[in-house]
Amino acid sequence: DAGVTQSPTHLIKTRGQHVTLRCSPISGHKSVSWYQQVLGQGPQFIFQYYEKEERGRGNFPDRFSARQFPNYSSELNVNALLLGDSALYLCASSLSSTASTDTQYFGPGTRLTVL
Amino acid sequence: KNEVEQSPQNLTAQEGEFITINCSYSVGISALHWLQQHPGGGIVSLFMLSSGKKKHGRLIATINIQEKHSSLHITASHPRDSAVYICAVNSNSGYALNFGKGTSLLVTP
Repeated sequence: DAGVTQSPTHLIKTRGQHVTLRCSPISGHKSVSWYQQVLGQGPQFIFQYYEKEERGRGNFPDRFSARQFPNYSSELNVNALLLGDSALYLCASSLSSTASTDTQYFGPGTRLTVL
Repeated sequence: KNEVEQSPQNLTAQEGEFITINCSYSVGISALHWLQQHPGGGIVSLFMLSSGKKKHGRLIATINIQEKHSSLHITASHPRDSAVYICAVNSNSGYALNFGKGTSLLVTP
């Protein structure tokens, strides 16, 4: 079975632009979580979706939004990009709705650079 | 928010050495995760534990709930163990993981 996939792998944008990142979970997994990892730091939780509903949101501004589709894939959208949004964006999938008490399977990440 | 502290921040060991990485957290949890991140970003889940001890190959993870402390041990370390090891605990909401900053391990031949 394929693991968690993310696209694109790398992305370069300029300040003020909008970006959409995509994630496909492991087949059968209904939960998708998004994390932001700034260089030298641990990942920070952005969103969790389960069965197409938002189950949790981290301390991120409204410029960050996400959704989950009927096939359980997910998109993370970031509007009005700032230099500080430059980071590795990680997607993780798991079986249950309480992702934090379930083994999470991470994708390879999308490296976003904002110039 | 549950603060997660890891030590040491950086660790260099010679091949074959026994390695210990520590993690402490500030409030009660129901699950603690140990993860491995290789250069390039990919993260692999090593352990999820809520009590006691788990072992997988040369890796051992322990947790002391009363002391709010966990350790990750690597026996007979090998250069391929070189990676960043990250501790994470579940938040009160149950949905989010709070991560430590990671311990960067380099094992030299």
